[in-house]
Amino acid sequence: ETGVTQTPRHLVMGMTNKKSLKCEQHLGHNAMYWYKQSAKKPLELMFVYNFKEQTENNSVPSRFSPECPNSSHLFLHLHTLQPEDSALYLCASSQDGTGDGSPLHFGNGTRLTVT
Amino acid sequence: QKEVEQDPGPLSVPEGAIVSLNCTYSNSAFQYFMWYRQYSRKGPELLMYTYSSGNKEDGRFTAQVDKSSKYISLFIRDSQPSDSATYLCAMSPSSGSARQLTFGSGTQLTVLP
Repeated sequence: ETGVTQTPRHLVMGMTNKKSLKCEQHLGHNAMYWYKQSAKKPLELMFVYNFKEQTENNSVPSRFSPECPNSSHLFLHLHTLQPEDSALYLCASSQDGTGDGSPLHFGNGTRLTVT
Repeated sequence: QKEVEQDPGPLSVPEGAIVSLNCTYSNSAFQYFMWYRQYSRKGPELLMYTYSSGNKEDGRFTAQVDKSSKYISLFIRDSQPSDSATYLCAMSPSSGSARQLTFGSGTQLTVLP
Protein backbone atom coordinates (compact mmCIF):
# COMPACT_ATOMS: atom_id res chain seq x y z
CA GLU A 1 0.00 0.00 0.00
CA THR A 2 1.29 3.44 -0.86
CA GLY A 3 0.03 6.98 -0.46
CA VAL A 4 -3.06 7.88 1.50
CA THR A 5 -5.86 5.34 1.83
CA GLN A 6 -9.39 6.17 2.96
CA THR A 7 -12.21 3.81 3.90
CA PRO A 8 -15.04 3.44 3.22
CA ARG A 9 -15.32 4.99 -0.25
CA HIS A 10 -19.05 5.54 0.16
CA LEU A 11 -21.20 5.86 3.26
CA VAL A 12 -24.92 6.41 3.66
CA MET A 13 -26.12 7.08 7.17
CA GLY A 14 -29.21 8.28 8.93
CA MET A 15 -29.17 11.31 11.17
CA THR A 16 -29.19 9.20 14.32
CA ASN A 17 -26.40 6.82 13.29
CA LYS A 18 -22.83 6.75 14.50
CA LYS A 19 -20.12 5.91 12.00
CA SER A 20 -16.39 6.44 11.55
CA LEU A 21 -14.18 7.34 8.60
CA LYS A 22 -10.68 5.93 8.49
CA CYS A 23 -7.50 7.27 6.90
CA GLU A 24 -4.04 5.73 6.74
CA GLN A 25 -0.91 7.26 5.22
CA HIS A 26 2.17 5.30 4.16
CA LEU A 27 4.35 8.31 3.32
CA GLY A 28 6.05 8.86 6.65
CA HIS A 29 4.52 12.32 6.97
CA ASN A 30 4.14 14.11 10.29
CA ALA A 31 0.90 15.99 9.64
CA MET A 32 -2.59 14.76 8.76
CA TYR A 33 -5.73 16.66 7.84
CA TRP A 34 -9.46 16.29 7.35
CA TYR A 35 -11.07 18.40 4.62
CA LYS A 36 -14.70 18.72 3.56
CA GLN A 37 -15.39 19.15 -0.16
CA SER A 38 -18.85 20.30 -1.22
CA ALA A 39 -19.94 20.96 -4.79
CA LYS A 40 -18.84 24.33 -6.18
CA LYS A 41 -17.16 25.28 -2.88
CA PRO A 42 -13.49 25.50 -1.90
CA LEU A 43 -12.00 22.76 0.21
CA GLU A 44 -12.78 23.43 3.86
CA LEU A 45 -10.07 22.53 6.36
CA MET A 46 -11.66 20.81 9.35
CA PHE A 47 -8.89 19.42 11.54
CA VAL A 48 -5.10 19.30 11.58
CA TYR A 49 -2.91 16.90 13.50
CA ASN A 50 0.85 17.28 13.76
CA PHE A 51 2.75 14.41 15.38
CA LYS A 52 -0.60 13.08 16.72
CA GLU A 53 -1.44 16.39 18.42
CA GLN A 54 -4.46 18.33 17.22
CA THR A 55 -3.24 21.76 16.23
CA GLU A 56 -6.29 23.14 14.51
CA ASN A 57 -10.05 22.85 14.74
CA ASN A 58 -11.71 25.23 12.31
CA SER A 59 -14.94 25.78 14.25
CA VAL A 60 -16.20 22.36 13.29
CA PRO A 61 -19.45 21.23 14.98
CA SER A 62 -19.00 18.72 17.79
CA ARG A 63 -20.93 16.08 15.83
CA PHE A 64 -17.57 15.59 14.06
CA SER A 65 -14.96 14.11 16.37
CA PRO A 66 -11.42 13.41 15.12
CA GLU A 67 -8.99 10.88 16.53
CA CYS A 68 -5.32 10.42 15.70
CA PRO A 69 -3.84 7.42 17.54
CA ASN A 70 -0.48 7.70 15.73
CA SER A 71 1.07 9.73 12.93
CA SER A 72 -0.07 7.21 10.29
CA HIS A 73 -3.75 6.86 11.19
CA LEU A 74 -6.58 9.34 11.39
CA PHE A 75 -10.26 8.79 12.13
CA LEU A 76 -13.32 11.00 11.88
CA HIS A 77 -16.14 9.87 14.15
CA LEU A 78 -19.59 10.98 13.06
CA HIS A 79 -22.81 11.17 15.10
CA THR A 80 -26.20 12.86 14.77
CA LEU A 81 -25.25 14.41 11.44
CA GLN A 82 -27.43 16.72 9.39
CA PRO A 83 -28.30 16.41 5.69
CA GLU A 84 -26.09 19.44 4.95
CA ASP A 85 -23.12 17.39 6.15
CA SER A 86 -23.39 15.30 2.98
CA ALA A 87 -20.13 15.86 1.10
CA LEU A 88 -16.83 14.31 0.09
CA TYR A 89 -14.53 14.01 3.10
CA LEU A 90 -10.88 14.04 2.15
CA CYS A 91 -7.94 13.02 4.26
CA ALA A 92 -4.51 14.42 3.46
CA SER A 93 -0.99 14.26 4.82
CA SER A 94 2.12 16.39 4.48
CA GLN A 95 5.64 16.71 5.78
CA ASP A 96 5.21 19.95 7.66
CA GLY A 97 7.96 22.38 8.48
CA THR A 98 10.31 21.42 5.67
CA GLY A 99 9.96 24.78 3.95
CA ASP A 100 9.30 23.23 0.58
CA GLY A 101 5.67 24.25 0.42
CA SER A 102 4.59 21.13 2.28
CA PRO A 103 2.43 19.83 -0.57
CA LEU A 104 -0.62 17.93 0.49
CA HIS A 105 -1.09 14.31 -0.51
CA PHE A 106 -4.77 13.42 -0.60
CA GLY A 107 -6.69 10.21 -0.32
CA ASN A 108 -9.58 9.50 -2.69
CA GLY A 109 -12.15 10.52 -0.12
CA THR A 110 -15.29 9.12 1.47
CA ARG A 111 -18.53 10.18 -0.22
CA LEU A 112 -20.93 10.69 2.68
CA THR A 113 -24.68 10.93 2.26
CA VAL A 114 -26.82 11.76 5.30
CA THR A 115 -30.47 10.81 4.93
CA GLN B 1 -15.34 38.95 -1.12
CA LYS B 2 -13.82 35.48 -1.21
CA GLU B 3 -10.11 35.28 -0.54
CA VAL B 4 -9.59 33.23 -3.72
CA GLU B 5 -11.90 33.43 -6.73
CA GLN B 6 -11.98 30.76 -9.41
CA ASP B 7 -14.45 30.39 -12.27
CA PRO B 8 -16.14 27.02 -11.72
CA GLY B 9 -16.83 26.42 -15.42
CA PRO B 10 -17.62 23.95 -16.81
CA LEU B 11 -15.13 24.53 -19.59
CA SER B 12 -15.18 22.34 -22.73
CA VAL B 13 -12.46 22.49 -25.36
CA PRO B 14 -11.52 20.35 -28.38
CA GLU B 15 -8.47 18.12 -28.19
CA GLY B 16 -5.30 20.01 -29.03
CA ALA B 17 -6.57 23.38 -27.80
CA ILE B 18 -4.64 25.64 -25.45
CA VAL B 19 -6.44 25.88 -22.13
CA SER B 20 -6.16 28.82 -19.74
CA LEU B 21 -7.35 28.41 -16.15
CA ASN B 22 -7.24 31.36 -13.76
CA CYS B 23 -7.59 32.44 -10.17
CA THR B 24 -7.63 35.85 -8.56
CA TYR B 25 -6.94 36.54 -4.92
CA SER B 26 -7.16 39.39 -2.45
CA ASN B 27 -4.55 38.54 0.20
CA SER B 28 -1.24 40.17 -0.74
CA ALA B 29 0.55 37.96 1.80
CA PHE B 30 0.23 34.92 -0.47
CA GLN B 31 3.68 33.88 -1.68
CA TYR B 32 3.27 30.23 -2.65
CA PHE B 33 0.93 29.14 -5.40
CA MET B 34 -0.18 25.66 -6.37
CA TRP B 35 -2.40 23.93 -8.85
CA TYR B 36 -4.04 20.64 -7.96
CA ARG B 37 -5.76 18.34 -10.44
CA GLN B 38 -8.70 16.22 -9.32
CA TYR B 39 -10.03 13.45 -11.50
CA SER B 40 -13.58 12.24 -10.98
CA ARG B 41 -13.90 10.02 -7.87
CA LYS B 42 -10.29 10.75 -6.89
CA GLY B 43 -8.56 13.07 -4.45
CA PRO B 44 -6.67 16.16 -5.63
CA GLU B 45 -3.03 15.69 -6.68
CA LEU B 46 -0.40 18.40 -6.84
CA LEU B 47 0.27 19.44 -10.42
CA MET B 48 2.35 22.62 -10.22
CA TYR B 49 4.01 24.64 -7.47
CA THR B 50 5.47 28.13 -7.81
CA TYR B 51 6.93 30.72 -5.51
CA SER B 52 6.29 34.47 -5.91
CA SER B 53 5.93 35.93 -9.40
CA GLY B 54 7.01 34.46 -12.70
CA ASN B 55 6.48 31.40 -14.85
CA LYS B 56 7.16 27.73 -14.34
CA GLU B 57 6.94 25.16 -17.09
CA ASP B 58 6.54 21.38 -16.81
CA GLY B 59 5.89 19.59 -20.06
CA ARG B 60 2.59 20.80 -21.50
CA PHE B 61 1.78 22.77 -18.35
CA THR B 62 2.83 26.34 -17.53
CA ALA B 63 2.00 28.09 -14.27
CA GLN B 64 2.11 31.87 -14.25
CA VAL B 65 1.92 34.22 -11.27
CA ASP B 66 1.36 37.97 -11.45
CA LYS B 67 1.49 39.24 -7.88
CA SER B 68 1.00 42.86 -8.91
CA SER B 69 -2.40 41.93 -10.32
CA LYS B 70 -3.07 39.17 -7.75
CA TYR B 71 -3.71 36.79 -10.62
CA ILE B 72 -2.46 33.28 -11.33
CA SER B 73 -2.90 31.13 -14.40
CA LEU B 74 -2.38 27.56 -15.53
CA PHE B 75 -1.91 26.98 -19.25
CA ILE B 76 -2.26 23.56 -20.82
CA ARG B 77 -0.85 23.19 -24.33
CA ASP B 78 -1.99 20.51 -26.77
CA SER B 79 -4.77 19.49 -24.38
CA GLN B 80 -5.71 15.81 -24.26
CA PRO B 81 -8.90 14.01 -23.16
CA SER B 82 -6.84 12.70 -20.22
CA ASP B 83 -6.58 16.32 -19.00
CA SER B 84 -10.34 16.28 -18.29
CA ALA B 85 -10.56 16.95 -14.57
CA THR B 86 -11.27 19.66 -12.02
CA TYR B 87 -8.36 22.04 -11.46
CA LEU B 88 -8.00 23.66 -8.05
CA CYS B 89 -5.76 26.61 -7.36
CA ALA B 90 -4.32 26.96 -3.87
CA MET B 91 -2.10 29.53 -2.22
CA SER B 92 -0.32 30.14 1.04
CA PRO B 93 1.60 32.96 2.76
CA SER B 94 4.36 30.61 3.88
CA SER B 95 6.08 27.47 2.77
CA GLY B 96 6.25 25.68 6.06
CA SER B 97 2.75 24.47 6.66
CA ALA B 98 -0.02 23.12 4.51
CA ARG B 99 -2.59 24.24 7.09
CA GLN B 100 -2.31 27.78 5.75
CA LEU B 101 -3.42 26.80 2.26
CA THR B 102 -6.46 28.57 0.82
CA PHE B 103 -8.16 26.83 -2.09
CA GLY B 104 -10.25 28.07 -4.98
CA SER B 105 -13.52 26.30 -5.70
CA GLY B 106 -12.13 24.53 -8.78
CA THR B 107 -12.70 24.72 -12.55
CA GLN B 108 -14.16 21.67 -14.26
CA LEU B 109 -12.45 21.03 -17.61
CA THR B 110 -13.54 18.63 -20.33
CA VAL B 111 -11.31 18.02 -23.36
CA LEU B 112 -13.35 16.56 -26.18
CA PRO B 113 -11.71 14.00 -28.52
